[in-house]
Amino acid sequence: GQNIDQPTEMTATEGAIVQINCTYQTSGFNGLFWYQQHAGEAPTFLSYNVLDGLEEKGRFSSFLSRSKGYSYLLLKELQMKDSASYLCAGPYNTDKLIFGTGTRLQVFP
Amino acid sequence: GAVVSQHPSRVICKSGTSVKIECRSLDFQATTMFWYRQFPKQSLMLMATSNEGSKATYEQGVEKDKFLINHASLTLSTLTVTSAHPEDSSFYICSAREPGHPNGNEQFFGPGTRLTVL
Repeated sequence: GQNIDQPTEMTATEGAIVQINCTYQTSGFNGLFWYQQHAGEAPTFLSYNVLDGLEEKGRFSSFLSRSKGYSYLLLKELQMKDSASYLCAGPYNTDKLIFGTGTRLQVFP
Repeated sequence: GAVVSQHPSRVICKSGTSVKIECRSLDFQATTMFWYRQFPKQSLMLMATSNEGSKATYEQGVEKDKFLINHASLTLSTLTVTSAHPEDSSFYICSAREPGHPNGNEQFFGPGTRLTVL
């Protein structure tokens, strides 16, 4: 099967750090993507981890452990504009993407 | 680079009519495009994989006779919702993969089409 789980909702305060977890139980995945999606808009690419470990890109970092089927997105120095849905997605059979349930993050002042 | 457009951005139609949504890759050729639908506060659900010059591959539970996909060129795929009903109201998003991109499986998304069936 292809199950990708994320927390449904999270809240955090402006300036804080938040970690959004993603767990998956599947075979055939080749790495993991993270996308950001503001309401009513298309998803935009944040990161792609194909190897285990942490990749840092500005305020956003993403971690992957393939053996544990686990990834997280770390957002630092949160800003109000970071309020959005965050979707993890696995490339399945090198073709299609299977999306997780998505996490709606609300940042408060 | 890697820009994908969709048209229309919004459409309202009467129940029973058909609606066509276009997805275009503007600055690259896409042999493979994907169609998703998204209900409010839910994630993206893959409907079908559109392959240029061949039949689309539909996900389980998606009616191919209701959601007609045509990928006639390397830059255009269309999704036609036939005999639309209110339960088809949703946000439809297309995406495309750019051949040779460093993140081989990365998909570039169109801005989406909000369909409302009255």
